[in-house]
Amino acid sequence: AQTVTQSQPEMSVQEAETVTLSCTYDTSESDYYLFWYKQPPSRQMILVIRQEAYKQQNATENRFSVNFQKAAKSFSLKISDSQLGDAAMYFCAYYGAGSYQLTFGKGTKLSVIP
Amino acid sequence: DAGVIQSPRHEVTEMGQEVTLRCKPISGHNSLFWYRQTMMRGLELLIYFNNNVPIDDSGMPEDRFSAKMPNASFSTLKIQPSEPRDSAVYFCASSHQKGQGPYEQYFGPGTRLTVT
Repeated sequence: AQTVTQSQPEMSVQEAETVTLSCTYDTSESDYYLFWYKQPPSRQMILVIRQEAYKQQNATENRFSVNFQKAAKSFSLKISDSQLGDAAMYFCAYYGAGSYQLTFGKGTKLSVIP
Repeated sequence: DAGVIQSPRHEVTEMGQEVTLRCKPISGHNSLFWYRQTMMRGLELLIYFNNNVPIDDSGMPEDRFSAKMPNASFSTLKIQPSEPRDSAVYFCASSHQKGQGPYEQYFGPGTRLTVT
């Protein structure tokens, strides 16, 4: 079974600074997808970024980027120029190709300090 | 598009009462998921429907929980009788699963259930 581990229960960052959230996963599959979801206090789960395992290039979405290390089974999220609105829980999720099931990590609570 | 719609947003009920949570998936999506989120267990998949058919209900905790999807635009999750340990946030998500993945899941706003 796949597992997703987020080793940082809480993180904080100064506004306008950069922060990196860690995620590791365990799988025997070769084809899969990885996601980062954001959950602000409103509870809405918002897809932030995704990465296909077959792509070597790291995904980027504006201020959000990932560092995907397939051999190490690592998938970290970097948030640049942090804003107050980035404060939220961030969940890393795994999705095996041909599957339907998302496996989530426990989440990292990010605080942004003005 | 309106996104995934869930109702109610908040539900407070007494132990032993029946609770029904409702979900309207995104139009055109053929897959629907019910999740439960708690501090202790995180996000857990309860049940998965594809084309209105339950495919995997292995995450449903007990017989007190049941889910239906009578048509492509509506699903319910029912708890009868409810217990305090059922208190959680329940999410509905939908996706369009056809051809090559990934099949991104779009989440509703969740229903916060409190059972006293």
